[in-house]
Amino acid sequence: DGGITQSPKYLFRKEGQNVTLSCEQNLNHDAMYWYRQDPGQGLRLIYYSQIVNDFQKGDIAEGYSVSREKKESFPLTVTSAQKNPTAFYLCASARGDPGDTQYFGPGTRLTVL
Amino acid sequence: AQSVTQLDSQVPVFEEAPVELRCNYSSSVSVYLFWYVQYPNQGLQLLLKYLSGSTLVKGINGFEAEFNKSQTSFHLRKPSVHISDTAEYFCAVRGSGYSTLTFGKGTMLLVSP
Repeated sequence: DGGITQSPKYLFRKEGQNVTLSCEQNLNHDAMYWYRQDPGQGLRLIYYSQIVNDFQKGDIAEGYSVSREKKESFPLTVTSAQKNPTAFYLCASARGDPGDTQYFGPGTRLTVL
Repeated sequence: AQSVTQLDSQVPVFEEAPVELRCNYSSSVSVYLFWYVQYPNQGLQLLLKYLSGSTLVKGINGFEAEFNKSQTSFHLRKPSVHISDTAEYFCAVRGSGYSTLTFGKGTMLLVSP
């Protein structure tokens, strides 16, 4: 089955620790995206990548980092510099054309204690 | 800049009643418009999208939306809702020349028996 996987589903970390969220797709999509979702805030774009080895900051990139070394993988690191990291994180991918549908993974709920 | 306003944060409705979820957008260029649905603790799934052509767009699960350029709106409708339609609905816009989607803050549809 083609799709997007995110792991783990739930993640707990202590304050001050970096944590990496996994996102893998087997849809052969060029573009990948990371969003953060908070109650009542909708989806806010953290980072996106339109091609391997290239990525751009979204609206709320501070305190986050990404890499895109392979077409199918786009991991997100939440660093200790992110002031309020507890949230639901969603990864998506698309072919890359403007009207393309973005396909979403099931999400990772990160709780920082 | 592009933006989306979803006018209602919650819409309560009885089963088998019609529903309209409102979405207005702002963009200085031609747009592509999307409606996504999110069930609790899951990723987003595309309901329908407008790219060009007919302003009435039909999607999955009996939903439809009408693109109104003069009113910059893209309202989502269903003539008869089911309990299973209880979910959060997100409107999104991508302007021509933009690389990313901008999402609204979401509308929670609450269907009761």
